[in-house]
Amino acid sequence: AQSVTQLDSQVPVFEEAPVELRCNYSSSVSVYLFWYVQYPNQGLQLLLKYLSGSTLVESINGFEAEFNKSQTSFHLRKPSVHISDTAEYFCAVSDIWNKLSFGAGTTVTVRA
Amino acid sequence: GAGVSQSPSNKVTEKGKDVELRCDPISGHTALYWYRQRLGQGLEFLIYFQGNSAPDKSGLPSDRFSAERTGESVSTLTIQRTQQEDSAVYLCASSSGTLSNQPQHFGDGTRLSIL
Repeated sequence: AQSVTQLDSQVPVFEEAPVELRCNYSSSVSVYLFWYVQYPNQGLQLLLKYLSGSTLVESINGFEAEFNKSQTSFHLRKPSVHISDTAEYFCAVSDIWNKLSFGAGTTVTVRA
Repeated sequence: GAGVSQSPSNKVTEKGKDVELRCDPISGHTALYWYRQRLGQGLEFLIYFQGNSAPDKSGLPSDRFSAERTGESVSTLTIQRTQQEDSAVYLCASSSGTLSNQPQHFGDGTRLSIL
C-alpha cells in the first residue's frame, strides 16, 4: 500500500517570491513520483516525474523537485513564481502497474 | 492531436438514478484509468484497464459502480442508484502502457452532482 501526504492545503505567495510545496509518501516498495498541476478550469497536466537516476528533476517552466529516499519526500520548488503559476498542485506516487495515489492537493495563489 | 475526451462535462441527477460517464482515450493508448476527486480531496483510483487483460477493480467503492471497455477504445463508468456521496469529479486518464515511464494523460473530467 502507498499513500501521499501534502502538508499544505493552501500556499499564498507574492509574485517573484520562491515557493516550496511539501510532499511526503509512504510505500513498501520502490516508487515512482510525480507532480501534476491543474490550472483553473483545466484538466490535470504532468509537471515532472522521478523514475530513477538523478534525484533532482526539473520541469520546463522552472519548477524542480528533489527525491529524498531517507526522508520519503518529494518537495516541489520554484525560486521565483509568476501570476500564471496560480493553480492546484498534486503530488502522486505510482505502483508497478502505474496506478497513481494522489495527495489532497496544494492550492497556490500568486499575488502581485 | 486529440487528448482524452470525457462526456458529459457536467451531470446533475436525482438520488437513486443511474448515470453513465464516457471516456475516449488517446488513440493507441492501451491503458485506461478512472479516478474520482471529491471536493477538497485528492484523486482516488477506481479502476484500470490494460489491453484485453481483466481490469483491476480494486478501487471501486461499492457494487453500485462498474466500468466497461471494449478493446482499446471507449470506456464507460456506470453508477447505479446514485447517492449524494457519489457527487465528485470523475477523471479518466490513458497511457501508452502500464510502465511508470509512460505518463498518464488526463481528460477534463465529468462533474457529477447528485441532488
